[in-house]
Amino acid sequence: AQSVAQPEDQVNVAEGNPLTVKCTYSVSGNPYLFWYVQYPNRGLQFLLKYITGDNLVKGSYGFEAEFNKSQTSFHLKKPSALVSDSALYFCAAPSGRRALTFGSGTRLQVQP
Amino acid sequence: EAQVTQNPRYLITVTGKKLTVTCSQNMNHEYMSWYRQDPGLGLRQIYYSMNVEVTDKGDVPEGYKVSRKEKRNFPLILESPSPNQTSLYFCASSLRAGGTRDNEQFFGPGTRLTVL
Repeated sequence: AQSVAQPEDQVNVAEGNPLTVKCTYSVSGNPYLFWYVQYPNRGLQFLLKYITGDNLVKGSYGFEAEFNKSQTSFHLKKPSALVSDSALYFCAAPSGRRALTFGSGTRLQVQP
Repeated sequence: EAQVTQNPRYLITVTGKKLTVTCSQNMNHEYMSWYRQDPGLGLRQIYYSMNVEVTDKGDVPEGYKVSRKEKRNFPLILESPSPNQTSLYFCASSLRAGGTRDNEQFFGPGTRLTVL
């Protein structure tokens, strides 16, 4: 079964500093991995996805994610955090007929 | 504008009073799904539909019903709501389901349900 895990419930970072939100995966075959973001009182929004090819995937709002096969990780990164990046972030992977299975989410708090 | 809409956005009800949360998408997507979001548990899938008249249980289907009579609509029905169904509910759609590269999901804005 496909699964993803987000080991951190919350990540705190100062504005302007780089940020990392962690995700590890357990999938069979070629992994397809996704990151979604949820801003307060909003639905989830697609950020980026990894299919094949470059291990560094660029997405919306200046985010990128690094796929690491040996570590089975797909960490979300941004070189310089903004206060407006504060949100809930979900890692996800396809799961057969059910489309996507989600991690438990990581709350990112960016302090001014 | 391509979107998934849900109604109502907020609902407070009492135990046992049947309710329906509507969901509609205008992208001609085959696949639709309902999730509930609870703190510390992420999103858990309730039901999904691969196409019209094709529905199946997700991870937490107990206490819920769905129907898919038209491609664009996928209502969630709580026949007899209970307090443990107090949650934030999201409808989502995607072009297709399954482990494909194209199953980016589009989410509705959410429905916050409180069952007293």
